[in-house]
Amino acid sequence: AQTVTQSQPEMSVQEAETVTLSCTYDTSESDYYLFWYKQPPSRQMILVIRQEAYKQQNATENRFSVNFQKAAKSFSLKISDSQLGDAAMYFCAYRSLDYNNNDMRFGAGTRLTVKP
Amino acid sequence: NAGVTQTPKFQVLKTGQSMTLQCAQDMNHNSMYWYRQDPGMGLRLIYYSASEGTTDKGEVPNGYNVSRLNKREFSLRLESAAPSQTSVYFCASSEAPGSVSTDTQYFGPGTRLTVL
Repeated sequence: AQTVTQSQPEMSVQEAETVTLSCTYDTSESDYYLFWYKQPPSRQMILVIRQEAYKQQNATENRFSVNFQKAAKSFSLKISDSQLGDAAMYFCAYRSLDYNNNDMRFGAGTRLTVKP
Repeated sequence: NAGVTQTPKFQVLKTGQSMTLQCAQDMNHNSMYWYRQDPGMGLRLIYYSASEGTTDKGEVPNGYNVSRLNKREFSLRLESAAPSQTSVYFCASSEAPGSVSTDTQYFGPGTRLTVL
């Protein structure tokens, strides 16, 4: 089964600065999807950004971008111009395209603190 | 659109009691999922329903049953609750396989369940 590892339990960033959250995964599949979700104190899981493994171009969504390194099985999230509202738990997730195993695997999460 | 809704938001049970968590989505999605989230861990899949009329086990199905009542609703039942089932439960839905956009899962607000 695929595993997702987020090696940074906690990260901190100054408001308006840039921070990068790490994610690595283990898989033998060649095609799959990767996601970053944000979970603020309200507990709601909110999609931040998504990436298809066959696309070499890194996904971007406004201040959020990823650095996808397929060979290294790495999918880091960069948050630019950090805002107080970015404070949350961030989860990296892997989606297999084997629909006999309809599973999405999550990392343990990184808690991001934004300092004013 | 309300998106994915879950009831109740909070619940306290005694060991051995039963209860059903309700989930509904108004996005005309085909697939629905139940996850649990334990402290220090990411979400783990309990059961999923790829389409109306089908259900399958996920990573941690023991102690749970599900019913896909119709396309909109997917319920999770605990027949005899145990303290190990104390967790936050999330329901999610996605449109269908085929692309990263249609296969993106959208989450409800969660149910915090405590079993004494």
